[in-house]
Amino acid sequence: GESVGLHLPTLSVQEGDNSIINCAYSNSASDYFIWYKQESGKGPQFIIDIRSNMDKRQGQRVTVLLNKTVKHLSLQIAATQPGDSAVYFCAENYGGSQGNLIFGKGTKLSVKP
Amino acid sequence: DVKVTQSSRYLVKRTGEKVFLECVQDMDHENMFWYRQDPGLGLRLIYFSYDVKMKEKGDIPEGYSVSREKKERFSLILESASTNQTSMYLCASSLRRLGAFFGQGTRLTVV
Repeated sequence: GESVGLHLPTLSVQEGDNSIINCAYSNSASDYFIWYKQESGKGPQFIIDIRSNMDKRQGQRVTVLLNKTVKHLSLQIAATQPGDSAVYFCAENYGGSQGNLIFGKGTKLSVKP
Repeated sequence: DVKVTQSSRYLVKRTGEKVFLECVQDMDHENMFWYRQDPGLGLRLIYFSYDVKMKEKGDIPEGYSVSREKKERFSLILESASTNQTSMYLCASSLRRLGAFFGQGTRLTVV
């Protein structure tokens, strides 16, 4: 079946560097995408979203890029900080009317001081 | 800010018990969801509701039921708890087809 996936299960970066977390999606009907951050022992936290009519969206220190041609989504975190250490996962809305999301398995980001 | 509150952070229940997990959201969202999260399996949808008294099965509804008597409250019920239902349970709510906001999670252990 169609599902959201991630290229890298773990990512280790140096504090201050930029981080890039990738996600591939397979459902061409998906038109809305979200990135979540989940810290240990907590629920997922909404970071940023993007609709399929956009290629790029920026937030505070985060940027999401969408490449519909190759069905690829990425999350860029600028000047990564220790507090960014968490599991990040993407989600897609495949067009269902009720807002159901398909979630990827997650990438663990570790920030080295 | 959207707030989704789950009634318990940690629960320990015995096999065969009936378990109620409660979730309340304060943003008047139509949609509410229950997921379970297990290592290596990610988030899996148990049930969702898009309106009061409405419910739809997700990917893994077996052994669970739900109740939504009021818009702000969505309850997950384990009819007869089993050890394979030990998991992190996450409630979420959303407005129409926008992103879902999650509660802090309930870690349930069935012994």
